[in-house]
Amino acid sequence: DAGVIQSPRHEVTEMGQEVTLRCKPISGHNSLFWYRQTMMRGLELLIYFNNNVPIDDSGMPEDRFSAKMPNASFSTLKIQPSEPRDSAVYFCASSFSAQYEQYFGPGTRLTVT
Amino acid sequence: KNEVEQSPQNLTAQEGEFITINCSYSVGISALHWLQQHPGGGIVSLFMLSSGKKKHGRLIATINIQEKHSSLHITASHPRDSAVYICAVRESGGSNYKLTFGKGTLLTVNP
Repeated sequence: DAGVIQSPRHEVTEMGQEVTLRCKPISGHNSLFWYRQTMMRGLELLIYFNNNVPIDDSGMPEDRFSAKMPNASFSTLKIQPSEPRDSAVYFCASSFSAQYEQYFGPGTRLTVT
Repeated sequence: KNEVEQSPQNLTAQEGEFITINCSYSVGISALHWLQQHPGGGIVSLFMLSSGKKKHGRLIATINIQEKHSSLHITASHPRDSAVYICAVRESGGSNYKLTFGKGTLLTVNP
């Protein structure tokens, strides 16, 4: 398997623009996680999906952030409108089950100017 | 609230040295993960353990559930081991999908 795939790898955008990050989990995995990593706060869970259903979105910073998982092989994280403080590396991870080992994607480095 | 503390924050070693990174946490857990992140790179899961000890190549992870403490050891360290090592714990109970992460230990191994 190719592992967890994320796109784009790098995104530079201006404040106020919409940003969409994409993730393809490992086939057969039913749990998908979106994380954000910053120097100040480290890794933080944004949202957790189980069988395509959002289970915990308590980590989503505010209404500007939204995530969807329309099917088992695709998820998006959208920021609209983006702000400079959203600059971070966003990781998607998947696992066979929430209690199993998580496999991380390569991350998307987002810079909002 | 679960706190995950790692020590040291930064560690510099000479090639060949034995390395130990420590992780302590404050609440009951169902599992502990050790992750590796190379500079500018992705995150790789090294170990997931809930008791005892696991070994993979030159890496050894141990956990003491009673003392709420885990260690990651690297034997015969090599410059390619230079990375950030992150400890993460999954609490037991309702939110048992959620990982709480330590802030990481930056390891530099000099040739």
